[in-house]
Amino acid sequence: GDSVTQMEGPVTLSEEAFLTINCTYTATGYPSLFWYVQYPGEGLQLLLKATKADDKGSNKGFEATYRKETTSFHLEKGSVQVSDSAVYFCALIPNTGGFKTIFGAGTRLFVKA
Amino acid sequence: EAGVAQSPRYKIIEKRQSVAFWCNPISGHATLYWYQQILGQGPKLLIQFQNNGVVDDSQLPKDRFSAERLKGVDSTLKIQPAKLEDSAVYLCASSSYPNTEAFFGQGTRLTVV
Repeated sequence: GDSVTQMEGPVTLSEEAFLTINCTYTATGYPSLFWYVQYPGEGLQLLLKATKADDKGSNKGFEATYRKETTSFHLEKGSVQVSDSAVYFCALIPNTGGFKTIFGAGTRLFVKA
Repeated sequence: EAGVAQSPRYKIIEKRQSVAFWCNPISGHATLYWYQQILGQGPKLLIQFQNNGVVDDSQLPKDRFSAERLKGVDSTLKIQPAKLEDSAVYLCASSSYPNTEAFFGQGTRLTVV
């Protein structure tokens, strides 16, 4: 079945460091891909998305490129801030059958000042 | 634009008691989801509505969980009787169409003691 695999956390970085959180997926066809962020005590917020191969989603300095050949959607940011500390979820919506959002397990990011 | 509203934010009950959660989706969103998020895991879909009809409830423990969406707007999720393993955050989300990104409420944190 369709699934999402993320790198395990926690990831701990110093402020201004480069961030990569790996995400790979299993799905038939061309799913839509998403990154959501969850701050402590909050619900999930959509961070960025890409709906077709080679699309790049970007928001608030974060980027991710839809790579069909490697079935990946890695999240990157050039310079993290303390305020980026949160849990990041990679997700997909299949383009066949049920259109439910399927989430990875999440990756917790800690950014130290 | 108002977001997804959920209540209550927190609930503590004893095992074998019953509990109900309420969700008001974004106006005009036909698709509504209930997710269960256990600590340290990604959200797991419990049930998906399209207007007031159920699209997917394959992972809903129907012996104790029930959900309804009257008039295709508000929704309630009920647990009766609750078990210790039901302790989790219950997230409601909505989307304009089934294959578009979901917008989440802040969630209800349930603790069963």
